[in-house]
Amino acid sequence: EAGVAQSPRYKIIEKRQSVAFWCNPISGHATLYWYQQILGQGPKLLIQFQNNGVVDDSQLPKDRFSAERLKGVDSTLKIQPAKLEDSAVYLCASSRAGGNYEQYFGPGTRLTVT
Amino acid sequence: GENVEQHPSTLSVQEGDSAVIKCTYSDSASNYFPWYKQELGKRPQLIIDIRSNVGEKKDQRIAVTLNKTAKHFSLHITETQPEDSAVYFCAASTDTGRRALTFGSGTRLQVQP
Repeated sequence: EAGVAQSPRYKIIEKRQSVAFWCNPISGHATLYWYQQILGQGPKLLIQFQNNGVVDDSQLPKDRFSAERLKGVDSTLKIQPAKLEDSAVYLCASSRAGGNYEQYFGPGTRLTVT
Repeated sequence: GENVEQHPSTLSVQEGDSAVIKCTYSDSASNYFPWYKQELGKRPQLIIDIRSNVGEKKDQRIAVTLNKTAKHFSLHITETQPEDSAVYFCAASTDTGRRALTFGSGTRLQVQP
């Protein structure tokens, strides 16, 4: 089966600019996650979707980050305006259901904010 | 919320030796504990997982043990090989409410040939 797809793979922007990331989960996976991985740290959850509904966005900085999952398939994560501390790898993952099923990660988008 | 602590942060072993990485978790409701391997610039990949209804699980050279009472779990790699060199992350989650993974801070394993 095809894996989780993400684009772009790399992005460099200046602070205060906006950026958007796209994720296409594995076909049939109802649950989609966005994680932020800062260099040298473990991934940290930003938002979790079940189909097209938000399950958990408690750690999403909502003043600058937004995410949507229209039609319960693809998802986009947006940052506006970006700050230097947003430099990180943004990982998308999907799983078959919200239970304890394996999460499959995409290749990530490496964001550099200058 | 859940908090996962992981030790050591770096681990260097000789090829053929064993490596052990330990994690503790705080939420007694957590019942799923996966381990991910992440090579430089690559995505995290699941190498083994364990659920709270078992105490140990093995897959060839890799094993994971779980002590629910003490709230800690460990990854054991035997007969290490240079290709085992990577960053390893432990994680924990529940199957009720928030189900996303809470990750540890990672262990950089270096296997010296």
